[in-house]
Amino acid sequence: AQSVTQLDSHVSVSEGTPVLLRCNYSSSYSPSLFWYVQHPNKGLQLLLKYTSAATLVKGINGFEAEFKKSETSFHLTKPSAHMSDAAEYFCVVSDQAGTALIFGKGTTLSVSS
Amino acid sequence: EPEVTQTPSHQVTQMGQEVILRCVPISNHLYFYWYRQILGQKVEFLVSFYNNEISEKSEIFDDQFSVERPDGSNFTLKIRSTKLEDSAMYFCASNVRTADTQYFGPGTRLTVL
Repeated sequence: AQSVTQLDSHVSVSEGTPVLLRCNYSSSYSPSLFWYVQHPNKGLQLLLKYTSAATLVKGINGFEAEFKKSETSFHLTKPSAHMSDAAEYFCVVSDQAGTALIFGKGTTLSVSS
Repeated sequence: EPEVTQTPSHQVTQMGQEVILRCVPISNHLYFYWYRQILGQKVEFLVSFYNNEISEKSEIFDDQFSVERPDGSNFTLKIRSTKLEDSAMYFCASNVRTADTQYFGPGTRLTVL
């Protein structure tokens, strides 16, 4: 069965410093992987998506993620955090049919000035 | 930019009552989904819907739940007899094709007393 594990429930960074949110996945097939972000009182917004093309995926707002099959990881990074990046981030894998999304527990990113 | 909308934003109901949560997917989308997130837990897939039929459902989606597309724009989730454990945030999502990016609404927070 497919699953994702987000290794940190909470990450705190200072504005202007790099962000690293870690995600490991488990899948018996070649997965589609996503990162979604949720700001308070907002819906889930897609940051980026991996679907077996380039292993380094660039998303919105300066975020990117690298698919590493050997490590079964899909970590999210950003070179320089901004206050507006403070939110909940979800690593997600699709099921084999490409229908249901399977979410990690989420990582809360806090950004201090 | 088109968005998925959901109403109400917050619904409070008594245990045993029926509730209907409403969603308006993006207009050219053909696949519709419901997910829920119990406080402090993962976002969980409930059901997917295409061509007026359920295409996939999870174990959570038992006989107490039903979905319907009553007209050309709305997509509803009905819970027949609510339980305390149905208290959660319910998210609607839609996409053009299965395996495409799913676009999420802001959610309805359901509180069962």
